[in-house]
Amino acid sequence: DAGVIQSPRHEVTEMGQEVTLRCKPISGHNSLFWYRQTMMRGLELLIYFNNNVPIDDSGMPEDRFSAKMPNASFSTLKIQPSEPRDSAVYFCASSLATGGYYEQYFGPGTRLTVT
Amino acid sequence: AQRVTQPEKLLSVFKGAPVELKCNYSYSGSPELFWYVQYSRQRLQLLLRHISRESIKGFTADLNKGETSFHLKKPFAQEEDSAMYYCALVSGGYQKVTFGTGTKLQVIP
Repeated sequence: DAGVIQSPRHEVTEMGQEVTLRCKPISGHNSLFWYRQTMMRGLELLIYFNNNVPIDDSGMPEDRFSAKMPNASFSTLKIQPSEPRDSAVYFCASSLATGGYYEQYFGPGTRLTVT
Repeated sequence: AQRVTQPEKLLSVFKGAPVELKCNYSYSGSPELFWYVQYSRQRLQLLLRHISRESIKGFTADLNKGETSFHLKKPFAQEEDSAMYYCALVSGGYQKVTFGTGTKLQVIP
């Protein structure tokens, strides 16, 4: 298994543009997480899904952010419109949740720069 | 609400010296705590979890509920230990994870 796959690895865009980040979790995992990493705030959980259903999106900064998981093998995080303060590394992680806590497997991240 | 605090952004130690990365948490329930590590150009990965009471790569961490701490320790630092370390707390039935801001460990040869 290639692990969690994220695309693109790097994204540079201008303020006001729409940005879509993509994630393919590990096959068989039933939980998916989106995180944002910045120097100031470290790793922040934005949203997570269990069996494709959003469970907690309280970490999503504002309405400009949205996330979907149309099926078990794909998720997107969209920012519209983007702003310079959205510049960060965005990580996707997946795990197999069957009642207890199981290790989260992280993707390589997408480095987003909004100018 | 739960919170994880890692007071040091950067910790520099000499090779062979002891290492202690500090982590304090606040949580009203019974916590599950973890340490994750990110080596240069690698993915974030699980290092150890408190319920396992294990030692990984020479690192150990003991949960101290009285002091609400989960410090990561290693008696003799190695150069390959240089990395970013994150303390994390898991709560809720769906694995909500709260990470600290991370500590960069730099082992000086």
